[in-house]
Amino acid sequence: GDSVTQMEGPVTLSEEAFLTINCTYTATGYPSLFWYVQYPGEGLQLLLKATKADDKGSNKGFEATYRKETTSFHLEKGSVQVSDSAVYFCALRTNAGKSTFGDGTTLTVKP
Amino acid sequence: DTGVSQDPRHKITKRGQNVTFRCDPISEHNRLYWYRQTLGQGPEFLTYFQNEAQLEKSRLLSDRFSAERPKGSFSTLEIQRTEQGDSAMYLCASSLGHLEETQYFGPGTRLLVL
Repeated sequence: GDSVTQMEGPVTLSEEAFLTINCTYTATGYPSLFWYVQYPGEGLQLLLKATKADDKGSNKGFEATYRKETTSFHLEKGSVQVSDSAVYFCALRTNAGKSTFGDGTTLTVKP
Repeated sequence: DTGVSQDPRHKITKRGQNVTFRCDPISEHNRLYWYRQTLGQGPEFLTYFQNEAQLEKSRLLSDRFSAERPKGSFSTLEIQRTEQGDSAMYLCASSLGHLEETQYFGPGTRLLVL
C-alpha cells in the first residue's frame, strides 16, 4: 500500500539556519504530494503541494520538488524563523480520496 | 469564518459509552473526509463522502464506527461502545471534489476515553 516516511525529529535549529526535512514515499500510480504544517494549538494547514514529477511547490519561503526518480519530496527553507516552529507532515494522494500522511517532524527554532 | 468546523472540540467519556462528533465542511465542498490522529503520528484515513454517498471506508473503521452525511452538507461520526484505544484526535477535512484538490482541515475533536 501507499506509505510516507519522514525524517525523524525533533529538529532544533537556530534562527536563520537552513532547514531540510526529508520525505520519501511509496505509491502506486502517480501521486500528488503535499506538505502540511500544524502550529501549536491549531489545525492542519496546507503549506505547499506538487502534482506531477519535477514540479516545485513553494510558499512562505518553503520549497519542495517532486522527484519521481528518488520518490522524494524534501522540504527546504533557506532561513528559518522562530515563527516556523511547528509540526510538519508530508502526505500523498493517489486518487481523489484519501491522503496518506507521514508521522510528522517537530521543528523548534530558537532565537 | 468559512473554514471547516468541528463540534465538540473536546470530549471525555467513559468506556462503553457512545459518542457522536459533528463536522461542518466549507460551503459548496462536495467531498468530506474523516481522519484519526494519535499522539506522535500522522492522520490516518477513516472514510470519505462525495455529497451524501460514502465512497470509501478504511479497515480501521470497525463496526463500532459509523459515519453519515445525510444531506450532503454536515457529517457525523459516531463511535459506539467506546474503548480506551479510541482515544485520539478526530479530524474532518473537506474539498471541492476535483481530482487534485486541496483538502482543508478542521481543528479536530479530541476524544479521551477513561
